Amino acid sequence: QQPVQSPQAVILREGEDAVINCSSSKALYSVHWYRQKHGEAPVFLMILLKGGEQMRHEKISASFNEKKQQSSLYLTASQLSYSGTYFCGTRIQGAQKLVFGQGTRLTINP
Amino acid sequence: EAGVAQSPRYKIIEKRQSVAFWCNPISGHATLYWYQQILGQGPKLLIQFQNNGVVDDSQLPKDRFSAERLKGVDSTLKIQPAKLEDSAVYLCASSQYRGRTEAFFGQGTRLTVV
Repeated sequence: QQPVQSPQAVILREGEDAVINCSSSKALYSVHWYRQKHGEAPVFLMILLKGGEQMRHEKISASFNEKKQQSSLYLTASQLSYSGTYFCGTRIQGAQKLVFGQGTRLTINP
Repeated sequence: EAGVAQSPRYKIIEKRQSVAFWCNPISGHATLYWYQQILGQGPKLLIQFQNNGVVDDSQLPKDRFSAERLKGVDSTLKIQPAKLEDSAVYLCASSQYRGRTEAFFGQGTRLTVV
């Protein structure tokens, strides 16, 4: 039931864009996106619900494709502060548990 | 609003010893999670409580790990006896049950088993 994230790592220059994907083999009820910096706890970014709208947090947005059971996180005009590991967490339909993917490490260079 | 509180922040023990972690969730949050995060990996769900009942503990190594949530508020996670592979950060998180159900994490407890 663990969602699969891709890519595993991304290296960008400041100002470039990136897309991180999260896929599930099960029908999803919700997708949760978090960012974790080294040595810190994961910080909530946004939640996407089945049937809901695309969400946005500053210059980061996300979508949820219910047909493909996939969510994508879009980082636009990346800033140095965006560096960290991004995790998606998923709840499948009919279940309550929140399961996380293996993470995508994002490095932003000046 | 106070966040999720965890203690201790760091713990070093020898293998075969026991250890306990404590978590106090955000006030009013009915759902409480314990995750194990090994360096370089995503958080792995160990156990999820709904009030003081267990929602899922399918990945909890029950021969050595135990958890309880008395009165539906605070929770403790215990390991007895510890193994070297238990070295990890143990994260506690909480969320509302209905409506927006995003989970908020505590700072975690870094456990080193030597």
